[in-house]
Amino acid sequence: AQSVTQLGSHVSVSEGALVLLRCNYSSSVPPYLFWYVQYPNQGLQLLLKYTSAATLVKGINGFEAEFKKSETSFHLTKPSAHMSDAAEYFCAVSEQGGSEKLVFGKGTKLTVNP
Amino acid sequence: KAGVTQTPRYLIKTRGQQVTLSCSPISGHRSVSWYQQTPGQGLQFLFEYFSETQRNKGNFPGRFSGRQFSNSRSEMNVSTLELGDSALYLCASSLAPGNEQFFGPGTRLTVL
Repeated sequence: AQSVTQLGSHVSVSEGALVLLRCNYSSSVPPYLFWYVQYPNQGLQLLLKYTSAATLVKGINGFEAEFKKSETSFHLTKPSAHMSDAAEYFCAVSEQGGSEKLVFGKGTKLTVNP
Repeated sequence: KAGVTQTPRYLIKTRGQQVTLSCSPISGHRSVSWYQQTPGQGLQFLFEYFSETQRNKGNFPGRFSGRQFSNSRSEMNVSTLELGDSALYLCASSLAPGNEQFFGPGTRLTVL
């Protein structure tokens, strides 16, 4: 079975600082990988996805992630944090090679300090 | 285009009762998936429906069931509620299995 590990349940950065949220996955088949963001009292919004094309994936709101097969990682980065980035972020892998039946990590709550 | 809508948004039930949650997918979307989100277990897949057929089911007891109607709207039912069923239940729709999923705001169920 596939699994996702997100290192750090809470990450705190200053406004303007680099955001780095870590995600490692386990998969016996080429994975499809996703990053979602969840704002309080809302559902999940897709930030970006990796589907075996380019290893560096650019998403919305200035986020990007790099797929590193050798490290089984898919870390999320943003060069400069904004107050509006404060939210919970989830990394997910698809068990069946598509977007259905997502397996999620436990989430990382990002706090942005002024 | 309207997003995924879930009703009700909040629900309070007592142990032993049953509950039905509703999800209306984005117009034109035919696949609906359900997820349970709790602080302890995180986000877990419940089931997926496409063309009124259950395609996948997560590791949940038989008290959790669902169905999809011909207009792609979906309902999930939880019978004999337990305290541990308190959670945010998220519905996601996609054009078809394998396409990007769009999530609704969720239904927050509290079991007392």
